[in-house]
Amino acid sequence: KNEVEQSPQNLTAQEGEFITINCSYSVGISALHWLQQHPGGGIVSLFMLSSGKKKHGRLIATINIQEKHSSLHITASHPRDSAVYICAVRSDDVETSGSRLTFGEGTQLTVNP
Amino acid sequence: ETGVTQTPRHLVMGMTNKKSLKCEQHLGHNAMYWYKQSAKKPLELMFVYNFKEQTENNSVPSRFSPECPNSSHLFLHLHTLQPEDSALYLCASSQGDLYYEQYFGPGTRLTVT
Repeated sequence: KNEVEQSPQNLTAQEGEFITINCSYSVGISALHWLQQHPGGGIVSLFMLSSGKKKHGRLIATINIQEKHSSLHITASHPRDSAVYICAVRSDDVETSGSRLTFGEGTQLTVNP
Repeated sequence: ETGVTQTPRHLVMGMTNKKSLKCEQHLGHNAMYWYKQSAKKPLELMFVYNFKEQTENNSVPSRFSPECPNSSHLFLHLHTLQPEDSALYLCASSQGDLYYEQYFGPGTRLTVT
């Protein structure tokens, strides 16, 4: 079982729909990142959060530390939102006394016009 | 345009070749990263440099050799690679360590024949 699980793996929506992508993790974390990867590989950091909720335009990210769960919401979805959305968690590595970043497998979102 | 550039964008090399990937960031950041993204697998963090010092090496085989001459440049030297090393190699930078938001380059698509 991966330490970071995303659901769904694939999501197809119609333009205008409200979209939710989920991320669950099994380790204690100090921060959680949401990333967007477009075809061709380029990755953009969308959010970094450690508590509560953040909003940027049509994107909203929430995190519940007690439940070890985060959600990424997209309101009024558009075909240009089609991309892979990746969740990553930063946790402390007890063995090395450092920190590490663990990634989910990503959610492929396709928004049809 | 994220302020992080990578060259080349595509590379095909034989198993006996030696090549280098280059990354440059124009953001004034102090930390730089190499990631590997294989098909249908999560992103894997390979190396972390903070203020030119390597702070993380996630059990990467020695056929991958990083070099960070200054905070703006990062190289990944490749030699005697295997076909399973074919992947997208992404560079990123951040203001500080893994807690800070990362900015990604477009990646180098590497094919080992």
